[in-house]
Amino acid sequence: EAQVTQNPRYLITVTGKKLTVTCSQNMNHEYMSWYRQDPGLGLRQIYYSMNVEVTDKGDVPEGYKVSRKEKRNFPLILESPSPNQTSLYFCASSTSNQPQHFGDGTRLSIL
Amino acid sequence: GQNIDQPTEMTATEGAIVQINCTYQTSGFNGLFWYQQHAGEAPTFLSYNVLDGLEEKGRFSSFLSRSKGYSYLLLKELQMKDSASYLCAVRDPHGRDSNYQLIWGAGTKLIIKP
Repeated sequence: EAQVTQNPRYLITVTGKKLTVTCSQNMNHEYMSWYRQDPGLGLRQIYYSMNVEVTDKGDVPEGYKVSRKEKRNFPLILESPSPNQTSLYFCASSTSNQPQHFGDGTRLSIL
Repeated sequence: GQNIDQPTEMTATEGAIVQINCTYQTSGFNGLFWYQQHAGEAPTFLSYNVLDGLEEKGRFSSFLSRSKGYSYLLLKELQMKDSASYLCAVRDPHGRDSNYQLIWGAGTKLIIKP
């Protein structure tokens, strides 16, 4: 089954404790993207990647890092999380000119 | 600048028809997507329009007018499970990595009442 898998689905943590949200897709898509979604603001792009070792900033990259060492994986790293990064996060992937497929989301709470 | 406008919230009655509008102002246009998102869940793809006109898919239809920068999603025979947010997204051919990147509207929350 074609899917985008994110882990964890839920996480409560404290300010400053490094965390990683993993994202993996099994569709051999070249494009992957991370979004955060906050009430009233819609989807805002954090980072995206066009292929292995190619990453680029989205609209709200501050406080986040990503890597793309393998085509299927695109982890999101918060080196020093802060409460304003409490949000619902989605990973998505696609191939050229096709709809984006989304993971089930990660609800992150930073205290 | 790039902008996509959708109503924030709409209410409709079970069994009725509802039209959700989306207007866009972008530097170019290369297709418009509609996604459905239930609360706390992932967005799922509904429809794609790149040429003017109506695309019908069961109870859902999507219309596009490129000259007016306008699209709508039409939902017929509304069911309670249609209560969700509906997201409009535009592909801009002049944007960076334009075959992949989308400009997203903030979404329209649709509430269905019995």
